[in-house]
Amino acid sequence: DAGITQSPRHKVTETGTPVTLRCHQTENHRYMYWYRQDPGHGLRLIHYSYGVKDTDKGEVSDGYSVSRSKTEDFLLTLESATSSQTSVYFCAISESGRENYGYTFGSGTRLTVV
Amino acid sequence: AQSVTQLGSHVSVSEGALVLLRCNYSSSVPPYLFWYVQYPNQGLQLLLKYTTGATLVKGINGFEAEFKKSETSFHLTKPSAHMSDAAEYFCAVTRASGGSYIPTFGRGTSLIVHP
Repeated sequence: DAGITQSPRHKVTETGTPVTLRCHQTENHRYMYWYRQDPGHGLRLIHYSYGVKDTDKGEVSDGYSVSRSKTEDFLLTLESATSSQTSVYFCAISESGRENYGYTFGSGTRLTVV
Repeated sequence: AQSVTQLGSHVSVSEGALVLLRCNYSSSVPPYLFWYVQYPNQGLQLLLKYTTGATLVKGINGFEAEFKKSETSFHLTKPSAHMSDAAEYFCAVTRASGGSYIPTFGRGTSLIVHP
Protein backbone atom coordinates (compact mmCIF):
# COMPACT_ATOMS: atom_id res chain seq x y z
CA ASP A 1 0.00 0.00 0.00
CA ALA A 2 0.92 3.67 -0.31
CA GLY A 3 1.83 4.03 3.34
CA ILE A 4 -1.47 4.78 5.01
CA THR A 5 -2.42 3.12 8.27
CA GLN A 6 -5.61 3.37 10.26
CA SER A 7 -5.90 2.46 13.92
CA PRO A 8 -7.61 0.75 15.52
CA ARG A 9 -8.96 -1.66 12.91
CA HIS A 10 -11.91 -2.60 15.07
CA LYS A 11 -13.47 -0.92 18.08
CA VAL A 12 -16.55 -1.43 20.20
CA THR A 13 -17.54 1.45 22.41
CA GLU A 14 -20.46 2.52 24.55
CA THR A 15 -22.94 5.25 23.75
CA GLY A 16 -21.86 8.61 25.12
CA THR A 17 -18.14 7.92 25.25
CA PRO A 18 -15.59 9.83 23.19
CA VAL A 19 -13.70 7.91 20.54
CA THR A 20 -10.64 8.86 18.52
CA LEU A 21 -9.60 7.19 15.30
CA ARG A 22 -6.16 7.71 13.87
CA CYS A 23 -4.93 7.94 10.30
CA HIS A 24 -1.20 7.88 9.74
CA GLN A 25 0.55 8.36 6.39
CA THR A 26 4.16 8.09 5.35
CA GLU A 27 3.72 9.70 1.92
CA ASN A 28 3.98 13.33 3.00
CA HIS A 29 0.73 14.06 1.12
CA ARG A 30 -0.91 17.37 1.84
CA TYR A 31 -4.54 16.26 1.67
CA MET A 32 -6.23 13.84 4.03
CA TYR A 33 -9.88 12.84 4.28
CA TRP A 34 -12.21 10.98 6.58
CA TYR A 35 -15.18 9.08 5.11
CA ARG A 36 -17.80 6.83 6.58
CA GLN A 37 -19.25 3.92 4.64
CA ASP A 38 -22.74 2.64 5.28
CA PRO A 39 -24.83 0.18 3.26
CA GLY A 40 -26.87 1.95 0.62
CA HIS A 41 -25.06 5.25 1.12
CA GLY A 42 -21.66 4.63 -0.42
CA LEU A 43 -18.94 6.81 1.05
CA ARG A 44 -19.76 10.12 2.64
CA LEU A 45 -17.20 12.74 3.52
CA ILE A 46 -16.94 13.71 7.18
CA HIS A 47 -14.00 16.12 7.27
CA TYR A 48 -10.90 16.78 5.26
CA SER A 49 -7.61 18.54 5.72
CA TYR A 50 -5.57 20.50 3.21
CA GLY A 51 -2.59 21.07 5.47
CA VAL A 52 -1.39 21.12 9.07
CA LYS A 53 -4.09 22.78 11.18
CA ASP A 54 -6.18 23.39 8.04
CA THR A 55 -9.42 21.42 8.03
CA ASP A 56 -12.90 21.75 6.64
CA LYS A 57 -16.27 20.06 7.03
CA GLY A 58 -17.78 17.50 4.72
CA GLU A 59 -21.38 16.55 4.19
CA VAL A 60 -21.84 14.55 7.44
CA SER A 61 -19.69 16.40 9.95
CA ASP A 62 -22.17 16.73 12.82
CA GLY A 63 -20.92 14.90 15.92
CA TYR A 64 -17.36 14.66 14.61
CA SER A 65 -14.25 16.76 15.02
CA VAL A 66 -10.79 16.43 13.53
CA SER A 67 -7.28 17.57 14.22
CA ARG A 68 -4.10 17.64 12.22
CA SER A 69 -1.06 18.79 14.15
CA LYS A 70 1.44 16.98 11.92
CA THR A 71 1.46 16.25 8.21
CA GLU A 72 1.39 12.53 8.80
CA ASP A 73 -1.47 12.27 11.30
CA PHE A 74 -5.17 13.06 10.92
CA LEU A 75 -7.36 12.28 13.91
CA LEU A 76 -11.11 11.84 13.88
CA THR A 77 -12.95 12.23 17.19
CA LEU A 78 -16.49 11.26 17.95
CA GLU A 79 -17.23 13.63 20.77
CA SER A 80 -20.01 11.53 22.30
CA ALA A 81 -20.58 8.35 20.36
CA THR A 82 -24.11 7.41 19.29
CA SER A 83 -25.47 4.24 17.71
CA SER A 84 -25.95 6.11 14.42
CA GLN A 85 -22.18 6.45 14.24
CA THR A 86 -21.74 2.71 13.98
CA SER A 87 -20.02 2.46 10.63
CA VAL A 88 -16.83 1.69 8.78
CA TYR A 89 -14.53 4.69 8.67
CA PHE A 90 -11.99 5.20 5.93
CA CYS A 91 -9.13 7.60 5.71
CA ALA A 92 -7.82 8.70 2.32
CA ILE A 93 -4.86 10.73 1.18
CA SER A 94 -4.05 12.70 -1.93
CA GLU A 95 -0.89 14.37 -3.06
CA SER A 96 -2.86 17.25 -4.49
CA GLY A 97 -6.35 18.59 -4.05
CA ARG A 98 -6.64 19.00 -7.78
CA GLU A 99 -9.60 17.54 -9.61
CA ASN A 100 -7.71 14.98 -11.63
CA TYR A 101 -5.86 13.29 -8.79
CA GLY A 102 -6.92 9.95 -7.42
CA TYR A 103 -7.02 9.05 -3.77
CA THR A 104 -5.37 6.29 -1.75
CA PHE A 105 -7.47 4.71 0.95
CA GLY A 106 -6.62 3.02 4.21
CA SER A 107 -8.03 -0.36 5.16
CA GLY A 108 -10.74 1.09 7.37
CA THR A 109 -11.82 1.09 11.01
CA ARG A 110 -14.97 -0.80 11.92
CA LEU A 111 -16.64 1.04 14.80
CA THR A 112 -19.56 -0.37 16.73
CA VAL A 113 -21.38 1.82 19.25
CA VAL A 114 -23.49 -0.18 21.71
CA ALA B 1 -23.58 20.30 -8.14
CA GLN B 2 -21.64 17.30 -9.30
CA SER B 3 -23.04 13.86 -8.51
CA VAL B 4 -23.10 10.30 -9.82
CA THR B 5 -25.79 7.65 -9.99
CA GLN B 6 -24.93 4.00 -10.18
CA LEU B 7 -27.68 1.91 -11.71
CA GLY B 8 -28.17 -1.36 -9.91
CA SER B 9 -26.95 -2.09 -6.41
CA HIS B 10 -26.10 -5.66 -7.47
CA VAL B 11 -24.96 -7.11 -10.78
CA SER B 12 -24.62 -10.85 -11.26
CA VAL B 13 -22.66 -12.44 -14.11
CA SER B 14 -21.22 -15.80 -14.97
CA GLU B 15 -17.49 -16.32 -15.13
CA GLY B 16 -16.31 -15.45 -18.63
CA ALA B 17 -19.27 -13.18 -19.37
CA LEU B 18 -19.19 -9.48 -20.11
CA VAL B 19 -19.20 -7.16 -17.11
CA LEU B 20 -21.11 -3.88 -17.43
CA LEU B 21 -21.48 -1.55 -14.46
CA ARG B 22 -23.40 1.63 -15.13
CA CYS B 23 -22.63 5.14 -13.92
CA ASN B 24 -24.30 8.38 -14.95
CA TYR B 25 -23.03 11.72 -13.80
CA SER B 26 -24.46 15.15 -13.30
CA SER B 27 -22.08 18.01 -13.73
CA SER B 28 -22.34 21.60 -14.83
CA VAL B 29 -18.69 21.66 -15.82
CA PRO B 30 -16.43 19.13 -17.55
CA PRO B 31 -16.28 16.28 -15.08
CA TYR B 32 -13.38 14.30 -13.74
CA LEU B 33 -14.61 10.75 -13.25
CA PHE B 34 -13.22 7.78 -11.40
CA TRP B 35 -13.96 4.14 -10.78
CA TYR B 36 -12.81 2.49 -7.56
CA VAL B 37 -12.98 -1.15 -6.47
CA GLN B 38 -13.34 -2.41 -2.91
CA TYR B 39 -12.55 -6.01 -2.05
CA PRO B 40 -14.00 -7.45 1.15
CA ASN B 41 -12.55 -5.93 4.32
CA GLN B 42 -10.29 -3.60 2.36
CA GLY B 43 -10.17 0.05 1.43
CA LEU B 44 -10.97 1.42 -2.00
CA GLN B 45 -8.47 1.05 -4.82
CA LEU B 46 -8.38 3.25 -7.91
CA LEU B 47 -9.32 1.30 -11.06
CA LEU B 48 -9.20 4.10 -13.62
CA LYS B 49 -9.92 7.76 -14.12
CA TYR B 50 -11.02 10.11 -16.87
CA THR B 51 -9.68 13.63 -16.84
CA THR B 52 -9.19 14.95 -20.36
CA GLY B 53 -8.21 13.52 -23.72
CA ALA B 54 -9.14 10.04 -24.90
CA THR B 55 -12.67 9.08 -23.95
CA LEU B 56 -11.90 5.37 -23.65
CA VAL B 57 -9.92 4.85 -20.50
CA LYS B 58 -8.12 1.63 -19.65
CA GLY B 59 -7.53 0.62 -16.08
CA ILE B 60 -6.11 -2.20 -14.06
CA ASN B 61 -7.24 -5.83 -14.16
CA GLY B 62 -8.62 -5.54 -17.71
CA PHE B 63 -11.30 -2.98 -16.92
CA GLU B 64 -12.08 0.00 -19.09
CA ALA B 65 -14.62 2.79 -19.17
CA GLU B 66 -15.86 5.14 -21.83
CA PHE B 67 -16.76 8.74 -21.21
CA LYS B 68 -19.84 9.67 -23.25
CA LYS B 69 -20.72 13.31 -22.86
CA SER B 70 -23.91 13.05 -24.91
CA GLU B 71 -25.22 10.36 -22.56
CA THR B 72 -23.58 11.76 -19.38
CA SER B 73 -22.30 8.27 -18.74
CA PHE B 74 -19.10 6.60 -17.64
CA HIS B 75 -19.89 2.89 -17.68
CA LEU B 76 -17.31 0.33 -16.57
CA THR B 77 -16.78 -2.80 -18.65
CA LYS B 78 -14.67 -5.91 -18.78
CA PRO B 79 -14.93 -8.41 -21.65
CA SER B 80 -14.64 -11.55 -19.53
CA ALA B 81 -15.43 -11.76 -15.83
CA HIS B 82 -13.16 -13.63 -13.46
CA MET B 83 -14.06 -14.93 -10.03
CA SER B 84 -11.54 -12.53 -8.53
CA ASP B 85 -13.53 -9.57 -9.89
CA ALA B 86 -16.23 -10.10 -7.28
CA ALA B 87 -16.17 -6.87 -5.26
CA GLU B 88 -17.93 -3.57 -4.67
CA TYR B 89 -17.41 -0.93 -7.35
CA PHE B 90 -17.81 2.79 -6.86
CA CYS B 91 -18.09 5.53 -9.42
CA ALA B 92 -16.99 9.00 -8.32
CA VAL B 93 -16.91 12.55 -9.67
CA THR B 94 -14.92 15.41 -8.25
CA ARG B 95 -16.56 18.60 -7.09
CA ALA B 96 -15.02 21.90 -6.13
CA SER B 97 -15.02 22.80 -2.43
CA GLY B 98 -13.20 25.96 -1.53
CA GLY B 99 -9.78 25.59 -3.03
CA SER B 100 -9.95 21.81 -3.13
CA TYR B 101 -11.62 19.16 -5.23
CA ILE B 102 -13.53 16.50 -3.33
CA PRO B 103 -14.70 13.21 -4.82
CA THR B 104 -18.39 12.46 -4.52
CA PHE B 105 -19.10 8.75 -4.61
CA GLY B 106 -22.01 6.79 -5.92
CA ARG B 107 -23.73 4.27 -3.68
CA GLY B 108 -21.80 1.37 -5.11
CA THR B 109 -22.55 -1.73 -7.17
CA SER B 110 -21.79 -5.16 -5.86
CA LEU B 111 -20.49 -7.46 -8.61
CA ILE B 112 -21.27 -11.13 -8.10
CA VAL B 113 -19.49 -13.66 -10.31
CA HIS B 114 -20.90 -17.16 -10.61
CA PRO B 115 -18.77 -20.15 -11.62
